[in-house]
Amino acid sequence: GENVEQHPSTLSVQEGDSAVIKCTYSDSASNYFPWYKQELGKGPQLIIDIRSNVGEKKDQRIAVTLNKTAKHFSLHITETQPEDSAVYFCAASRSGTASKLTFGTGTRLQVTL
Amino acid sequence: DGGITQSPKYLFRKEGQNVTLSCEQNLNHDAMYWYRQDPGQGLRLIYYSQIVNDFQKGDIAEGYSVSREKKESFPLTVTSAQKNPTAFYLCASSRRTVESNQPQHFGDGTRLSIL
Repeated sequence: GENVEQHPSTLSVQEGDSAVIKCTYSDSASNYFPWYKQELGKGPQLIIDIRSNVGEKKDQRIAVTLNKTAKHFSLHITETQPEDSAVYFCAASRSGTASKLTFGTGTRLQVTL
Repeated sequence: DGGITQSPKYLFRKEGQNVTLSCEQNLNHDAMYWYRQDPGQGLRLIYYSQIVNDFQKGDIAEGYSVSREKKESFPLTVTSAQKNPTAFYLCASSRRTVESNQPQHFGDGTRLSIL
């Protein structure tokens, strides 16, 4: 089955700096890669996703890049703000699997003033 | 507003007791999912359902059961056979298509603890 590894497990940045979280996946057939943000005591919220037919997607301060050859994808947050502090999860899935997601173990991002 | 409602927010179980977690969605989604989240770990799939009256086991189904009698509802029962039930349980839903995966939307979870 699919295996998703996520690094780092914790990340501390100063407000205004950029943050990068990286994930690798094992199943070359995976073709959908969402990123979720989870605040304390809440459910994960989808913040951006990418499909394997594109290499990069951007939404304001958030971007995701995908390298299918190396089987890794990354989340980039620019101009970080205190409200970006949360746990971020990457996930992967493949077509024909009922949209089942395999999640990484999460990255706790702390944005300090 | 459309969304996913999980109840209760906190639940306590005695040894040997079955408990049922509620999940209701008004997004008109066909597919629904249950995940378990433990500290420092990612989400792990317990059960999923693509359509009413049909469901499949996920990666960690032992000790759990589900039903899908209505499109809007997908309750999860944690049985006494689940020896380590203390966790944060998350329900999700998505549209269902054959050709491509669809984003999953999550509720705010139920935290289950053992007395």
